[in-house]
Amino acid sequence: DAGVIQSPRHEVTEMGQEVTLRCKPISGHNSLFWYRQTMMRGLELLIYFNNNVPIDDSGMPEDRFSAKMPNASFSTLKIQPSEPRDSAVYFCASDVHTGIGGYTFGSGTRLTVV
Amino acid sequence: GNSVTQMEGPVTLSEEAFLTINCTYTATGYPSLFWYVQYPGEGLQLLLKATKADDKGSNKGFEATYRKETTSFHLEKGSVQVSDSAVYFCALPANQAGTALIFGKGTTLSVSS
Repeated sequence: DAGVIQSPRHEVTEMGQEVTLRCKPISGHNSLFWYRQTMMRGLELLIYFNNNVPIDDSGMPEDRFSAKMPNASFSTLKIQPSEPRDSAVYFCASDVHTGIGGYTFGSGTRLTVV
Repeated sequence: GNSVTQMEGPVTLSEEAFLTINCTYTATGYPSLFWYVQYPGEGLQLLLKATKADDKGSNKGFEATYRKETTSFHLEKGSVQVSDSAVYFCALPANQAGTALIFGKGTTLSVSS
């Protein structure tokens, strides 16, 4: 298995632009998680899905952030409009069942908003 | 909800030294506990886990014992190597419903030869 695949690996964008981050979970994993990592705040859970359904989005910082999972093999995290304070590494992770085993993380997308 | 606290870093050791990274938690019930490791430029990887009290998780020479009396899950290794240099995260489910994991702030380990 190729693992959790995230794209792009790096994204540099100007303030105000729309940014879309993509994630392909491991086949057969039915839980998907989006995290944001910064030096100041560490790893923050943004949203997670179970069987393609959003379960908890309380970590999404603002309405500028949205996430979708149209099918079991694809998820997106969108920021519109982007701001410099959104600069971070965004990780996607998948799991067979929420909280039971261990997550498999993607390599992350490093977002820089200038 | 549950919470986790791990020792501040960085931790700097010489090769073959003994490592301890402290992790304590607050939780309802007895959730599974995890240690993850992050190498530079990569995502987190599961290092070890323990699913019930007194369980010992182990992997690659690392160990951690689930201590419900002290609500701790300290990570140990008897002899570290330069290749162990990474950031280590303690984690547990956010609440008793077994939802998403929450992570400690991470402890950076630097091992020199």
